[in-house]
Amino acid sequence: DTGVSQDPRHKITKRGQNVTFRCDPISEHNRLYWYRQTLGQGPEFLTYFQNEAQLEKSRLLSDRFSAERPKGSFSTLEIQRTEQGDSAMYLCATGGARLNSPLHFGNGTRLTVT
Amino acid sequence: GEDVEQSLFLSVREGDSSVINCTYTDSSSTYLYWYKQEPGAGLQLLTYIFSNMDMKQDQRLTVLLNKKDKHLSLRIADTQTGDSAIYFCAEGVTTGNQFYFGTGTSLTVIP
Repeated sequence: DTGVSQDPRHKITKRGQNVTFRCDPISEHNRLYWYRQTLGQGPEFLTYFQNEAQLEKSRLLSDRFSAERPKGSFSTLEIQRTEQGDSAMYLCATGGARLNSPLHFGNGTRLTVT
Repeated sequence: GEDVEQSLFLSVREGDSSVINCTYTDSSSTYLYWYKQEPGAGLQLLTYIFSNMDMKQDQRLTVLLNKKDKHLSLRIADTQTGDSAIYFCAEGVTTGNQFYFGTGTSLTVIP
């Protein structure tokens, strides 16, 4: 399967702990997005990479959140000092080089902060 | 972000057609998309339409776009129980290569 892969699928952590999620894109896709989705809502944009460059970051994104894509392939999203409000599904999506070419989503990482 | 609005729920009988509606606000949209999400999964791309088209058909799916009214619809013909899911519309805008998603329409197909 050459789709977008996310790991882990589920993460349960205690408040105050740090967590890191990984996304492996479709190999030829140079655009990579992170979204957060809570129950009953659509995906909410967090950040966007083109190759290894982080081009945009939501102004709603706390400084506890950081994302990297060091070699322009896989990406990691880290949340430091987790809070209960961080509980959500974190989705990674990737797309090809053409402007607004469709995004392909991974199955997400479900984070529960207790 | 931009406002993309959808009705929250739709219920249809198996074999009937479903029509899911969406309105958006950004006039610089390039493409508009429909995604399907099943419980516990990510979003699956169903179809998409370029903003200078007004219709696209793909097997049981028909997308209609009224650019003047900024209205998008997805028609599913001969709806099956496997079509029960949440459907999201999204617009791709040129600014920042961004995508804006609606809140999703939960489709329930009654056998």
